[in-house]
Amino acid sequence: ETGVTQTPRHLVMGMTNKKSLKCEQHLGHNAMYWYKQSAKKPLELMFVYSLEERVENNSVPSRFSPECPNSSHLFLHLHTLQPEDSALYLCASSQDSYNEQFFGPGTRLTVL
Amino acid sequence: GQQVMQIPQYQHVQEGEDFTTYCNSSTTLSNIQWYKQRPGGHPVFLIQLVKSGEVKKQKRLTFQFGEAKKNSSLHITATQTTDVGTYFCAGQGDSNYQLIWGAGTKLIIKP
Repeated sequence: ETGVTQTPRHLVMGMTNKKSLKCEQHLGHNAMYWYKQSAKKPLELMFVYSLEERVENNSVPSRFSPECPNSSHLFLHLHTLQPEDSALYLCASSQDSYNEQFFGPGTRLTVL
Repeated sequence: GQQVMQIPQYQHVQEGEDFTTYCNSSTTLSNIQWYKQRPGGHPVFLIQLVKSGEVKKQKRLTFQFGEAKKNSSLHITATQTTDVGTYFCAGQGDSNYQLIWGAGTKLIIKP
């Protein structure tokens, strides 16, 4: 499946680093999402963009900063992360808010 | 806040046995979706249920949405090794943009 791509697939960073995760969808969808998936926890929705406008922000710490420059691209900028932020970060897109979501392969993030 | 409880957390079955996972919402849902995540993979959409009491089948998989639109189940008949993975339900609640995810049920086939 190549509908939603994410880079990098793996990322190891120190707590003082700044890095960015990239997501691109080739499906012509209007909504894009960032999720965090940690072991033994439900999927945690972080941010939602609809038509490039942020519509949901679920009390995510400011060390995570999303950016949606157009309807096909979504970024998650990371700075001064904590070890507990280590997780799989998944990007998803959907045609609109009531349709199924298509997920990318995720970025496995490790914070040292 | 709105929550979706999913049980069991794990289910170990012999190949050929049946598997069932259940989801219960604290509030009425507009729809519920089911996803499967293979080990090392990402969630993949299986189905969406919208109507009260709806039942849908996909080969050996049967999905149900309760009459009150607060609970749902996924039943797999005669499991196969290809069924291994974690099954998630996700309900659409009050917010148009937010799915409320269950914690998932991991299907494990006993060797």
